[in-house]
Amino acid sequence: DTGVSQNPRHKITKRGQNVTFRCDPISEHNRLYWYRQTLGQGPEFLTYFQNEAQLEKSRLLSDRFSAERPKGSFSTLEIQRTEQGDSAMYLCASSFWVSPGQETQYFGPGTRLLVL
Amino acid sequence: DQQVKQNSPSLSVQEGRISILNCDYTNSMFDYFLWYKKYPAEGPTFLISISSIKDKNEDGRFTVFLNKSAKHLSLHIVPSQPGDSAVYFCAASVGAGGTSYGKLTFGQGTILTVHP
Repeated sequence: DTGVSQNPRHKITKRGQNVTFRCDPISEHNRLYWYRQTLGQGPEFLTYFQNEAQLEKSRLLSDRFSAERPKGSFSTLEIQRTEQGDSAMYLCASSFWVSPGQETQYFGPGTRLLVL
Repeated sequence: DQQVKQNSPSLSVQEGRISILNCDYTNSMFDYFLWYKKYPAEGPTFLISISSIKDKNEDGRFTVFLNKSAKHLSLHIVPSQPGDSAVYFCAASVGAGGTSYGKLTFGQGTILTVHP
């Protein structure tokens, strides 16, 4: 088990460009989460999937953000028309959840985005 | 609306002594609580968790205490080691009867420094 992986680890882009991040969860984990973390703050929830279904989206996730998990394995997070305020660390986490029960989310190393 | 608060931005302790990190929450629907440790440029690493049906959980040097009436939890590290120096986040998820229902809400984090 290699853990949650994220690519790229760093991304520098110009304002107005589109960017896409990829997350590969721990194999057999059925839930996958996206969070965003800015300096001095804890991670903030963006959205999550159970298998391929997107179950919840935060109001933080504007129309410029879209996430997919097409086959219930890896996920992509796309930001269109990036703004300087999108600069942050984007974290992916995965978990194995069975109802009823508790789940522990395991995080990847994150993708640091800088919008110039 | 900060539903999970870590009021101490930083904590400094001597090697071998006890470290106590505190966390308060306001949402009475929170039912499952976790502590994560984070090194710079890495994703959060899971440390220990506790469900609302317990008031204490131990794992080696780490113990988490939950006081539901006060909406307060704490993480005790005994004995503290220099390698424990990191940012510590508490997180909570909504649930019922000890079952968690997904997204985590994080505190702002506490920077722990353990001096040799």
